[in-house]
Amino acid sequence: EDKVVQSPLSLVVHEGDTVTLNCSYEVTNFRSLLWYKQEKKAPTFLFMLTSSGIEKKSGRLSSILDKKELFSILNITATQTGDSAVYLCAVDARLYNTDKLIFGTGTRLQVFP
Amino acid sequence: DAGVIQSPRHEVTEMGQEVTLRCKPISGHNSLFWYRQTMMRGLELLIYFNNNVPIDDSGMPEDRFSAKMPNASFSTLKIQPSEPRDSAVYFCASSLGSRLAGVPDTQYFGPGTRLTVL
Repeated sequence: EDKVVQSPLSLVVHEGDTVTLNCSYEVTNFRSLLWYKQEKKAPTFLFMLTSSGIEKKSGRLSSILDKKELFSILNITATQTGDSAVYLCAVDARLYNTDKLIFGTGTRLQVFP
Repeated sequence: DAGVIQSPRHEVTEMGQEVTLRCKPISGHNSLFWYRQTMMRGLELLIYFNNNVPIDDSGMPEDRFSAKMPNASFSTLKIQPSEPRDSAVYFCASSLGSRLAGVPDTQYFGPGTRLTVL
């Protein structure tokens, strides 16, 4: 059965800290891995990763994929209170005509001043 | 672009009532997805459409749930009769639905409908 596992489930840090969120996966037909940020409403898209070893970067956020070891990490440097959210990892495991995204349960990040 | 539009944003109803959730995908997107999110189970895919045709409804919990997409710009998710355990946030998402090899597809989410069944 395809699955996506995120760790830790929850993280509490102070502003300025650096955090690393983990996502491991086991899927039959990997196409891409996506990171989303969910605050109080809908998930918003952060990154899509398709190739191993190529870092995607957006401001203080960066992510990288390891297709050999089947995991991805999301790094946030110099955290701010606005980074507080649930971070969701999802894998596009399309097979034939299926377009399913398989989501992990998320990591809840709380950043305190 | 207005993004994915969902209505209503909040719905409170009594057990046994029919509930209809609505979604307008991003213009030009060919795939539409309905998700349910709860604290216990996280984000679950219920059903998705490609070019208005239901492709995979294996996530639909039971016969009380049904979804339609009569045209490219509108979809509904109906629960009849509703039960308290249906209380959740229901998200609609859309994507280009590209099936081209090597072309990844990103889903964009609507704001969600928070459903409470008393």
